[in-house]
Order: sequence, then structure tokens, then C-alpha cells
Amino acid sequence: QAQLVQSGGELKKPGASVKVSCKASGYTFTDYGISWVRQAPGQGLEWMGWISPYNGDTDYVQKFQGRVTMTTDSSTNTVNMELRTLKSDDTAVYYCAIPSRRHWAFDIWGQGTMVTVSS
Amino acid sequence: DIQMIQSPSSLSASVGDRVTITCQASQDISDSLHWYQQKPGKAPKLLIHDASNLETGVPSRFSGSGSGTDFSFTISSLQAEDIATYYCQQYDNLPITFGQGTRLEIK
Repeated sequence: QAQLVQSGGELKKPGASVKVSCKASGYTFTDYGISWVRQAPGQGLEWMGWISPYNGDTDYVQKFQGRVTMTTDSSTNTVNMELRTLKSDDTAVYYCAIPSRRHWAFDIWGQGTMVTVSS
Repeated sequence: DIQMIQSPSSLSASVGDRVTITCQASQDISDSLHWYQQKPGKAPKLLIHDASNLETGVPSRFSGSGSGTDFSFTISSLQAEDIATYYCQQYDNLPITFGQGTRLEIK
């Protein structure tokens, strides 16, 4: 069945960049767009944007424009999310997710990647 | 961006109680709304799609209703395993936005 496996936790200094990967398996990689959702400690869910593995199209939330880049690697069925110029309030769990059956209904999630930004 | 206002932000109830959470959109979103359950340390789990449709395998004590701007999510008889935070999510217009969450506790 469909599965998303993310890379491990990261500790970064303010101003640095982080790249989180999300490896898909169990389905045709190009069938579903992959979204990134983050969750700061004790806070709610925040959608960051998505990428189409089919054609590489992206749509980023305006808040992250210029700081985030999502890329896809069809040779390894992996999507990467890079966030630059990290600040302390970027400390969060980052999830990748896909809607495998319903429009924008995220039924398959990665396990989450904790990114900590601290000096 | 469409704002989703969820209430209450937290709720304490007893096993067997009927529990209702509401979600209000800042503009008409038709039935473009999903509900999720998130337990501590876990990824969210999709419970209800398109306002009122139960996901396969989700217990029938969970239900959703509403359209336009006003939505509700109900647990007909609260079970101990339902302790979690619940989120609504709209997808009528990008960017996708979530409600701020309702933390459900056992009294």
C-alpha cells in the first residue's frame, strides 16, 4: 500500500538551510501531488505548498515564497523540501502527505521530520 | 486566504458523551471541507471527507455535516481512544487552510 517515508530529524542554526526528503512507495509516483504541512510545537497544522511529481509544478504559500523550494526526483520516487534562512519559529515537525482517493484529502502521511532551529 | 475558525479550542467530556465541534469558514466553501484526528506524536488521520463522508474503516460514531460556511463534527458516544486533537481543513481555494484545532480530553 502507499507509504511515505521521511528523512531524519535535523538541528540547524538560524540562517542555515534544511532539506527534508519524502520517499514514496506502493503507488505510481506521478499519480498524486505531494504537499508539505508543518506543525510547530504545541501548535496547529500549517500547509506550506505542494509539488506535482508528474510535471514538477509547484504552488507555495505566499508566507514561504522565496524561502522554500520543493523538488522531485522520479528516479528515486522522492520529493525534497528545502527551507532557507531558517528562523527559530521554523522549529516544527514537517510532514509530507498525499491525497490518494479524494480531492485534497490527505489520507497518506509521512512519519514527520523534526527540524529544530537553535543557536 | 480563507480562515477557518474552530470552536471550542478545547473540550472536556465523559466517556459516552455526545461531543460536537464546529468550524466556520470566512467565506462560502460549499462542502470542500475535511476533518482529521491527530494523536500526540502521530501524523493526522483523515476521518471525514467532503464535509459528511466517513472514511473507510472509521467508526460510525464519527460524523460530519454542514455546507457553505458552517460545519460541525460529532462524536455520538465518546470513547477513551477518541482523545486527540481534531482539525478541519478547507480546500475550496488554495492555499489550503486548517482550523486551529480542538483538543479533546476525558473528564
